[in-house]
Amino acid sequence: DQQVKQNSPSLSVQEGRISILNCDYTNSMFDYFLWYKKYPAEGPTFLISISSIKDKNEDGRFTVFLNKSAKHLSLHIVPSQPGDSAVYFCAASGAGGTSYGKLTFGQGTILTVHP
Amino acid sequence: DVKVTQSSRYLVKRTGEKVFLECVQDMDHENMFWYRQDPGLGLRLIYFSYDVKMKEKGDIPEGYSVSREKKERFSLILESASTNQTSMYLCASTFIPSRGNYGYTFGSGTRLTVV
Repeated sequence: DQQVKQNSPSLSVQEGRISILNCDYTNSMFDYFLWYKKYPAEGPTFLISISSIKDKNEDGRFTVFLNKSAKHLSLHIVPSQPGDSAVYFCAASGAGGTSYGKLTFGQGTILTVHP
Repeated sequence: DVKVTQSSRYLVKRTGEKVFLECVQDMDHENMFWYRQDPGLGLRLIYFSYDVKMKEKGDIPEGYSVSREKKERFSLILESASTNQTSMYLCASTFIPSRGNYGYTFGSGTRLTVV
């Protein structure tokens, strides 16, 4: 049972344009959401997060939007750069009980930004 | 610079072998995690530990065990390696999260191939 889903395995975008990566979740107990970026042969690195009490969080070129009623979040990258080419993972936490900071990840989306 | 270090970048093991994957963190984090990353499946949690000698099963613990004898070290053990355990293994650590603060740090990963 995939509680966090990224339905687009890949996304291709031209440099300078907007990249929009999507993520859906099913567990209404999740209250914190994160995006991680992963280059080949490296571990994932934290990119940006959002609490369920907010609907938007912005950090430079990266903005995350949360729609709780739709159980949907998205990551916008504007403008996209070739160095943004990586795998992007959506993650969620807070699903009740003693979660101990446990994160549930989506399948990942491979972003390719063409010069 | 804070670090999570995984002892091997690449490993090739034979079916039936007992395999040890080691992870060490230098941040005095309480929580440590083992994930595996597979194409189309994202990161899936195998086991985690929130204290020395404490361990909890994740989503896919079958065929694995763990050991945490010291706070900084978390070992993943494949009791009898099988080909379906060929994967990228990622270790992560974090402090006990305050609300909305999940400082996950990942290691660079171990690419395990079981032949």
